[in-house]
Amino acid sequence: AQSVTQLGSHVSVSEGALVLLRCNYSSSVPPYLFWYVQYPNQGLQLLLKYTSAATLVKGINGFEAEFKKSETSFHLTKPSAHMSDAAEYFCAVTSSDYKLSFGAGTTVTVRA
Amino acid sequence: DADVTQTPRNRITKTGKRIMLECSQTKGHDRMYWYRQDPGLGLRLIYYSFDVKDINKGEISDGYSVSRQAQAKFSLSLESAIPNQTALYFCATSDPPGQGTYEQYFGPGTRLTVT
Repeated sequence: AQSVTQLGSHVSVSEGALVLLRCNYSSSVPPYLFWYVQYPNQGLQLLLKYTSAATLVKGINGFEAEFKKSETSFHLTKPSAHMSDAAEYFCAVTSSDYKLSFGAGTTVTVRA
Repeated sequence: DADVTQTPRNRITKTGKRIMLECSQTKGHDRMYWYRQDPGLGLRLIYYSFDVKDINKGEISDGYSVSRQAQAKFSLSLESAIPNQTALYFCATSDPPGQGTYEQYFGPGTRLTVT
């Protein structure tokens, strides 16, 4: 079984500041990890994914995440926030059973 | 055109009514999923299907049923809707096994309100 914990249900950042969203997972088998973004009134869009290749993963819109097995973490970062980054972000984990387990989500607000 | 479509996009229904949410996909995937999203809870798996003859319960299947009419179509039914089934519902598909991506592709969602 696997599970995901996202630390912080709301994050507020200034435009141009670092965005850091935290995700920790538990899994009894090697995990595959994802970050999805949900813009208001829209579905989920994949930002990036870790599938056992490089531990530093680059995604769309300037986001990246680093898989750290020793810390069971997959934190999402973006060096400089833009107003268009305001959305809800979900971390998710799966293994060979193909069932995704999602975190509770983190809502990002960007201040001008 | 969207690869995964859901109908209706919004629905308001009354307690006790039967309602069906439909999902269609043009990705040619065998694997399909239904999730519900509630504030503060993320997405939770209701049912999933790995091919037309395969239906499996997820973590919150009580009060729901599904039908896999064809490879491209996967419907979710609420036999007798209740207010705590008010939520945003998502359909998803995933790549075939062996491709190693494990990625899921989501539809736009159906917002269901049960009064």
